[in-house]
Amino acid sequence: GENVEQHPSTLSVQEGDSAVIKCTYSDSASNYFPWYKQELGKGPQLIIDFRSNVGEKKDQRIAVTLNKTAKHFSLHITETQPEDSAVYFCAASEGGADGLTFGKGTHLIIQP
Amino acid sequence: ETGVTQTPRHLVMGMTNKKSLKCEQHLGHNAMYWYKQSAKKPLELMFVYSLEERVENNSVPSRFSPECPNSSHLFLHLHTLQPEDSALYLCASSQAATGDYGYTFGSGTRLTVV
Repeated sequence: GENVEQHPSTLSVQEGDSAVIKCTYSDSASNYFPWYKQELGKGPQLIIDFRSNVGEKKDQRIAVTLNKTAKHFSLHITETQPEDSAVYFCAASEGGADGLTFGKGTHLIIQP
Repeated sequence: ETGVTQTPRHLVMGMTNKKSLKCEQHLGHNAMYWYKQSAKKPLELMFVYSLEERVENNSVPSRFSPECPNSSHLFLHLHTLQPEDSALYLCASSQAATGDYGYTFGSGTRLTVV
C-alpha cells in the first residue's frame, strides 16, 4: 500500500517569512495530493489539493509543487501570519473510493 | 461547522462497556470514512463506505464495528476496547464515488478507555 513521509515534524518561522513542508510518497499510481490544516480542537480542513497532471498550483499565499519522478510534493506558505500556526498534513491517493494515506503532520509555529 | 457532525465530542468508557460514535453529513456526499488519530502517528484509515457499501476494512480489530444505514449517517460501534484504543476518532465524507476526493472532516470524538 501507499506510504507517505512528511518533514519536518515541527517548523518554527518568524512572522512574515516563508514556510516549506515536504512529503514523499511510495505508490507511483497515486495521482491526488491534498493538504490539510488542523487547528486545536478541530478536525483537519482541506486547504489545497491537486492532481498529478499539474506540477504546481497556487492559491493566494499557498502554493504546492509536485515532482512525479522523485515522488515528492511540497507545500509553500509565503508571508506567514499568526493564524497560520497549526498542524499541517499531506496525503496521497490513487483516487477512486480508496481512502487517503496521510503523513504524520508538521506542527507549524509562527513566531511574532 | 463543516457540514460533518460527530457526537459525542468526548467519551470515557470502561473496557467492558459498549458505546457507539455517530457521524452525520449534510453535504450530499457519497463516501464516508472513519479515521483514528493518535499522538505522534499518522491518521489511520479504519473504514470506508462508498455508496453505502463498505469497500475497505484495513485490518481493524473486530472490537470496532462500523455501520452505514444511509448515505448521510455513519456509526462506529465499540465493545471491549483496550486502553491503547484511546484516541481522537475522525469521520470524513467526500464525493469520491463520483470523482471528487476532497474530504470534509468532522471535529472528532475524543475517546478515553479506562
